[in-house]
Amino acid sequence: AQKITQTQPGMFVQEKEAVTLDCTYDTSDQSYGLFWYKQPSSGEMIFLIYQGSYDEQNATEGRYSLNFQKARKSANLVISASQLGDSAMYFCAMGPPRSGSARQLTFGSGTQLTVLP
Amino acid sequence: GAVVSQHPSRVICKSGTSVKIECRSLDFQATTMFWYRQFPKQSLMLMATSNEGSKATYEQGVEKDKFLINHASLTLSTLTVTSAHPEDSSFYICSASRLEDLAKNIQYFGAGTRLSVL
Repeated sequence: AQKITQTQPGMFVQEKEAVTLDCTYDTSDQSYGLFWYKQPSSGEMIFLIYQGSYDEQNATEGRYSLNFQKARKSANLVISASQLGDSAMYFCAMGPPRSGSARQLTFGSGTQLTVLP
Repeated sequence: GAVVSQHPSRVICKSGTSVKIECRSLDFQATTMFWYRQFPKQSLMLMATSNEGSKATYEQGVEKDKFLINHASLTLSTLTVTSAHPEDSSFYICSASRLEDLAKNIQYFGAGTRLSVL
């Protein structure tokens, strides 16, 4: 079974500063994927970034980067130069090993990020 | 990223009526789609896996006769909440993967449907 833990129910950050959202995971699988999604108040889930368990380099997508520490089983999201539009709920998720068909994701409890002007 | 359309975005219905929610992959084909349910301030919980041309796979505790899923084509899955009751009020959201994303299992989500049962 896979489990995702997000210990920060809420976070505040000043506009233009960087913020780190924590995520730890637990799995017995050797191969897995880690994801971060953003959910604004409108409800849609927006895919932000992906990290494969065998990827040696940390993933980056624009202002988003994933600090992947496999030994610690952590996959923290770093948002640089925060913007007011970054205020949203952020979910860390995990996917089962690669296969020939889509597989469901397991989500953490989420972190509500508020960017202050 | 890929576009997944979900309709309606919001629905209010009377207790006892049925509600159909559509999930469409607009620019790709999806043999598998997923239906999640989300309560306020909580995470997403998988309800069922929708497979094109075959029966859906339901998670433990999800009533398959209450939440009917049909995946009649490679671009459309529907979730019908039958005989809805106030406790069915929730946010329902679907997801799908493009073929080129299967190796990573990246899921693209619809905008969700907020169901309120009076």
